[in-house]
Amino acid sequence: QQQVKQSPQSLIVQKGGISIINCAYENTAFDYFPWYQQFPGKGPALLIAIRPDVSEKKEGRFTISFNKSAKQFSLHIMDSQPGDSATYFCAASDPSGTYKYIFGTGTRLKVLA
Amino acid sequence: DAGITQSPRHKVTETGTPVTLRCHQTENHRYMYWYRQDPGHGLRLIHYSYGVKDTDKGEVSDGYSVSRSKTEDFLLTLESATSSQTSVYFCAISRVKNTGELFFGEGSRLTVL
Repeated sequence: QQQVKQSPQSLIVQKGGISIINCAYENTAFDYFPWYQQFPGKGPALLIAIRPDVSEKKEGRFTISFNKSAKQFSLHIMDSQPGDSATYFCAASDPSGTYKYIFGTGTRLKVLA
Repeated sequence: DAGITQSPRHKVTETGTPVTLRCHQTENHRYMYWYRQDPGHGLRLIHYSYGVKDTDKGEVSDGYSVSRSKTEDFLLTLESATSSQTSVYFCAISRVKNTGELFFGEGSRLTVL
């Protein structure tokens, strides 16, 4: 199975709160897991990424937590800001060597001021 | 900015007409991709290219063809557009050799009436 399942579909968080988006995958051969951020009318932009040999990666307010045994990974946005309001996609790389990615269905995040 | 230009950015067309979307890159990357984005489906791969004249199908390739006669240009053609092909189309390149992270263009919004 090549699916990447993402939840929730939408999320509303108060300013300063923590936003958490979850993804689960089935193919244990996936070897790279990026998160993308997309603002309306724009293309998705790479936010942060992790390899399965690392359990956590942090960049500023954004953290990926990775659970290899559960085949799950999540994005945590600490101190969420209204400017973080966007759609977030998780993805997993196809291990065929052609850099194809399977994307989750997206989470629309709204951070209230 | 990954040096990706998509054209046209917006197009309205009639069912049954041919449509060609163009992706132009300025950084000489080998891998290029066409994705479509639809609500509830995330980003789905249509076709990709791994070099001049080298292309392959993605998960939703029916009704689409591609061509790559020059490194910098990757064309997506809908031979006979249908309403189900109304979508936002994104071109992407794989910039980082080791991880192959994707960088996206700004998208082309296609409406088929």
